[in-house]
Parts: sequence; C-alpha cells; structure tokens
Amino acid sequence: DTGVSQNPRHKITKRGQNVTFRCDPISEHNRLYWYRQTLGQGPEFLTYFQNEAQLEKSRLLSDRFSAERPKGSFSTLEIQRTEQGDSAMYLCASRPPGLSGNTIYFGEGSWLTVV
Amino acid sequence: EDQVTQSPEALRLQEGESSSLNCSYTVSGLRGLFWYRQDPGKGPEFLFTLYSAGEEKEKERLKATLTKKESFLHITAPKPEDSATYLCAVQAGLKAAGNKLTFGGGTRVLVKP
Repeated sequence: DTGVSQNPRHKITKRGQNVTFRCDPISEHNRLYWYRQTLGQGPEFLTYFQNEAQLEKSRLLSDRFSAERPKGSFSTLEIQRTEQGDSAMYLCASRPPGLSGNTIYFGEGSWLTVV
Repeated sequence: EDQVTQSPEALRLQEGESSSLNCSYTVSGLRGLFWYRQDPGKGPEFLFTLYSAGEEKEKERLKATLTKKESFLHITAPKPEDSATYLCAVQAGLKAAGNKLTFGGGTRVLVKP
C-alpha cells in the first residue's frame, strides 16, 4: 500500500499522559498536513509542513501540541498532558510538490481516547 | 474566514432513490472545491476536485457540480454501498500557506435496500 500511513491506529490513554502519533506520507509528497476530527464534524486543520518547515499552525494547536517533520519525510504529532477534550481522530494528509499536485490525500487516521 | 456549510446533515434514501447534497461556501479566492467520501472509522477518500463555476465531474453514480456560491453532489440510483459521510472542502488560493482545506460538517447518507 503506497498511501498515507498513520500509527498507531488507536490509542487509549489516561488524562495527563503524553501521546505521540506518527505519519508517513506518500513517497515524494513534500507537503504534509495534520487535521483533527471529532464525531459528527468535518476535519479541522491543525498544521502544515512543506518539507521540514512548519509553515502554518492553527490556533487550535495549543502549547500542549507539537508537530515535527525532522527530515522532510515522516512527521510526528505529540500531545502533552492529555485532556479529555483531546479525544478525537487525528488525520494526516499529504500532497505532491508543484502546481500539478493539487489533491490532498488522507491517511486512515489515529483515534485517541483520553480516559 | 473561509466557511463551508453542508446540508442536509443526514439523508436516508431507498435504494434507487436519487437525491442531491448541497455545499455552500464563502472563500477568499477559490482555488478548488473538493468532495471526499468517508466511511466510519476511516480517513476521507478523495472523489472530485472542481475548479470553476459550471464545471461538472462524474464517477459511477456520483456527479458533482459547481457554481460561484455552492456545489452539489448528485447521487443517481444509489446502492447500499454508497452509504457514507460525504465531505465538502474548499481550498483558498490567496495567501493560504499550503492551500489547506476547510471542511464542512458533512452529510451522512444511508441507503437502504
């Protein structure tokens, strides 16, 4: 499968613990996005990387959230001191470089449940 | 701020009963309007991109159309396997880093046999 890969697919954690999600984009896609989706809602933009540079962050991304893409390939999203309100599906997406690549492709998501 | 509103929130159809989903939007310089399908517990699956008013695209029983203010997703003679949530999203072309997508809340479609 050469699509966007996300791990783990499901994570249950206790409130106050830290969690980290990993995203492997489609090969050669230099643009990478993180979104959050709660039940019954559409995905909400969190942050965007072009290569290794984080170019935009939503105000939804509080200081407990940090995302990295150290070598411009895979990305990680870490949530520190999790709260119950962080329970959601975290979606990663990627897009190819250049003007020809307009479509954004999503992974299967990582479900987070904070208890 | 870019806004996308989808209606209805939910739609129950009998197999073979055609219908349309609406996506109304406001955006600063539309670069593209996207339709995705999302099955429960899965990520959104790309369906179509529309770029300019008057454009239409088709895929099997689905047809998407675009005007300057809204888009429609027509489902013709749906089958139970068309049951899913359909998401509409806009991509702004002006000063939008990475041309991120802004999504509506989705329309949950249930097709009964």
